[in-house]
Amino acid sequence: GQQLNQSPQSMFIQEGEDVSMNCTSSSIFNTWLWYKQDPGEGPVLLIALYKAGELTSNGRLTAQFGITRKDSFLNISASIPSDVGIYFCAPTGANNLFFGTGTRLTVIP
Amino acid sequence: DAGVIQSPRHEVTEMGQEVTLRCKPISGHNSLFWYRQTMMRGLELLIYFNNNVPIDDSGMPEDRFSAKMPNASFSTLKIQPSEPRDSAVYFCASSSTLGREQETQYFGPGTRLLVL
Repeated sequence: GQQLNQSPQSMFIQEGEDVSMNCTSSSIFNTWLWYKQDPGEGPVLLIALYKAGELTSNGRLTAQFGITRKDSFLNISASIPSDVGIYFCAPTGANNLFFGTGTRLTVIP
Repeated sequence: DAGVIQSPRHEVTEMGQEVTLRCKPISGHNSLFWYRQTMMRGLELLIYFNNNVPIDDSGMPEDRFSAKMPNASFSTLKIQPSEPRDSAVYFCASSSTLGREQETQYFGPGTRLLVL
């Protein structure tokens, strides 16, 4: 079956540091999404990637869709306390999202 | 737009009771998804509807779970009878099948269910 690996599982960083997390899958996907879940809330879409090799930025967030279409990374620059939460990669196709296990980010002020 | 609306936000019930969770998708979206989130298993897709028709319910744990979508603006997830192991956060999400947005799902705030 389809395997999706997200790493790291958790990160503790100082405010101002940069963060990097990634996902790899055993299958090829046409779209790769990154979601963030704040405590007590539902996942919220951060970035959507539609083309292999695509590099997209959204403020302090940068994400890339791997050229093999089997992986993606998300970078957060100059982290701030409100970046705290769980980040999920979600490759998708045919109305089905596959969620990674999440990266739990803690930002220490 | 108000986004995906779920009710109740919290539910505490006793084992054996019936639980009904409700969802109103984003207006104009024609796909609706029910997920369950636990620490042990993460986010799991339970069932999804397209144009009010259930397409894939392979994620529904067992016969105690049922979902309906009587119209484009309302869906329910029912658990009868509930068991302690059903305790989780249940999310509803919706998406549009038009254009590039067809694969982006928008999540509601979730219903936190505790079965004692």
